[in-house]
Amino acid sequence: GENVEQHPSTLSVQEGDSAVIKCTYSDSASNYFPWYKQELGKGPQLIIDIRSNVGEKKDQRIAVTLNKTAKHFSLHITETQPEDSAVYFCAASITGANNLFFGTGTRLTVIP
Amino acid sequence: NAGVMQNPRHLVRRRGQEARLRCSPMKGHSHVYWYRQLPEEGLKFMVYLQKENIIDESGMPKERFSAEFPKEGPSILRIQQVVRGDSAAYFCASSPQRTQETQYFGPGTRLLVL
Repeated sequence: GENVEQHPSTLSVQEGDSAVIKCTYSDSASNYFPWYKQELGKGPQLIIDIRSNVGEKKDQRIAVTLNKTAKHFSLHITETQPEDSAVYFCAASITGANNLFFGTGTRLTVIP
Repeated sequence: NAGVMQNPRHLVRRRGQEARLRCSPMKGHSHVYWYRQLPEEGLKFMVYLQKENIIDESGMPKERFSAEFPKEGPSILRIQQVVRGDSAAYFCASSPQRTQETQYFGPGTRLLVL
């Protein structure tokens, strides 16, 4: 099955700096890659996703890049704010598959 | 449009009791997924259901765990004879029929087995 690895496990940045979280996947058939933000005591919230026919996608301060050849994708958050502090999960899925395969999460702390 | 609803939010059970977790998908969503999250870990797939059908239960333990999604009412994840190792957060997600991969998660049920 698919194996998703995520790095780093923790990340601290100063407010206003950028944060980058990286994930790799093992199954070349994976073609859908969502990112979720999970705040303490809450469920994962979808923040952005990308499909394999696209190399980059941006939504305000958040962007995701995908390198199909290398089988890795990254989340970029610019101009970080304290409210960006949370655990971020990457995931991968195959069209028609029944589930998402999640990374182990990155705890992001934005220091005011 | 209300999001995915789960209840209870917190559930405490003693070893050997039954735990029943409920999930109401987003309006218009006919696909329901259950995931389990252990502390400091990612989410692990358990089971995928459509109305009145279990499509994939490959991630669910063969014993003590069962799931259903009846024609009317919420999806239910049932854990019989709970053990301490069942303590975890259980999340339900739903997706609309047309975009099966995009899953929207509920707030979760945190199960504690004493």
